[in-house]
Amino acid sequence: DAGVIQSPRHEVTEMGQEVTLRCKPISGHNSLFWYRQTMMRGLELLIYFNNNVPIDDSGMPEDRFSAKMPNASFSTLKIQPSEPRDSAVYFCASSLGSSGEVEQYFGPGTRLTVT
Amino acid sequence: GENVEQHPSTLSVQEGDSAVIKCTYSDSASNYFPWYKQELGKRPQLIIDIRSNVGEKKDQRIAVTLNKTAKHFSLHITETQPEDSAVYFCAARGSNYKLTFGKGTLLTVNP
Repeated sequence: DAGVIQSPRHEVTEMGQEVTLRCKPISGHNSLFWYRQTMMRGLELLIYFNNNVPIDDSGMPEDRFSAKMPNASFSTLKIQPSEPRDSAVYFCASSLGSSGEVEQYFGPGTRLTVT
Repeated sequence: GENVEQHPSTLSVQEGDSAVIKCTYSDSASNYFPWYKQELGKRPQLIIDIRSNVGEKKDQRIAVTLNKTAKHFSLHITETQPEDSAVYFCAARGSNYKLTFGKGTLLTVNP
């Protein structure tokens, strides 16, 4: 198994531009999570999906952020318009089951820099 | 929601010594407590977890203890090695089924 796949691995963009981050979960996993990691705030859950349905998006910082999961093997996190404070590492993770008591497998992350 | 506090934020030990990282949580309904290790520039990876019906769990040099009454849990690493150097995160699964992570502990093992 290739594990969780994220693209791009690095993204540098200018303030105001749209950014789209992509994630392919492990095949067979039915829960998918988007996290943001910064030095100041640590690892924060932005949104999670179960069986492609968004269950909790209370961690999404504001309306500039949106996430979709059109099918079981693909999810996107979009920021429009981007701002310098969005600079962070964004991780996607997946797990088997929705109880929250199973291991979450993290992808390699996307390092986003907004100038 | 759940709030997880983790201490210390940095920890430096000599190779062969033990390291202890402590976490507290706020949601008394939390029942699952994983620990993740993140090496520099890498992804977090699960190293051990414990459920609320168990007080202690051990896996080779790593052990985790849980005190539900006091709402705290700890990670113990014995006979530390340089490859144990990383950031360690505790987490708690609250009544909302989400994992809330601590801020992390940077462990440095000096040869």
